[in-house]
Amino acid sequence: ETGVTQTPRHLVMGMTNKKSLKCEQHLGHNAMYWYKQSAKKPLELMFVYSLEERVENNSVPSRFSPECPNSSHLFLHLHTLQPEDSALYLCASSQETLGGYTFGSGTRLTVV
Amino acid sequence: KNQVEQSPQSLIILEGKNCTLQCNYTVSPFSNLRWYKQDTGRGPVSLTIMTFSENTKSNGRYTATLDADTKQSSLHITASQLSDSASYICVVSSPGAGSYQLTFGKGTKLSVIP
Repeated sequence: ETGVTQTPRHLVMGMTNKKSLKCEQHLGHNAMYWYKQSAKKPLELMFVYSLEERVENNSVPSRFSPECPNSSHLFLHLHTLQPEDSALYLCASSQETLGGYTFGSGTRLTVV
Repeated sequence: KNQVEQSPQSLIILEGKNCTLQCNYTVSPFSNLRWYKQDTGRGPVSLTIMTFSENTKSNGRYTATLDADTKQSSLHITASQLSDSASYICVVSSPGAGSYQLTFGKGTKLSVIP
């Protein structure tokens, strides 16, 4: 374990479903991130939270809705997704001033 | 536009052999360069981090080099093992507001076969 835990590890959902991805970090970091990793593409930054405030939304469709209730937890709420949203969703955390990222193991999402 | 290009895209080597992965970047300004190892279905794990003034850094059988003048980095794996089979991602960061100004390469997929 890296200190960043993501659940569930795998998720299959229909296009009309609503689900949430969860991320929890026990490293005392003050910044958390959501990334999308599709096949043969670089990691794409989706959202950044610093000190529990969203500081970046990288032109992500509104069907993805992040939530950061405290510095240790990050959620990604999903609704009415499309098949092209199928990917590995990675959570990461860092101590912002140091910049070192720790990634979770990811949630493999399949939209059917 | 900041870019990180990695080569080769994929590589197959025999167990016990050495290999070198390449990373060229056009990111500016430059803060540091990291190599990550990502096992299939897992998140990336940091192998090395190199700043502007560092030319080489080792982590066990992994040795990273950095030439800041030519904006090139390499990751050399010595005496490869089956467990080295993974994707290796080069990530370059830029200083600025926050630590999230990162540019990721697409990765090199390494397969080590017996």
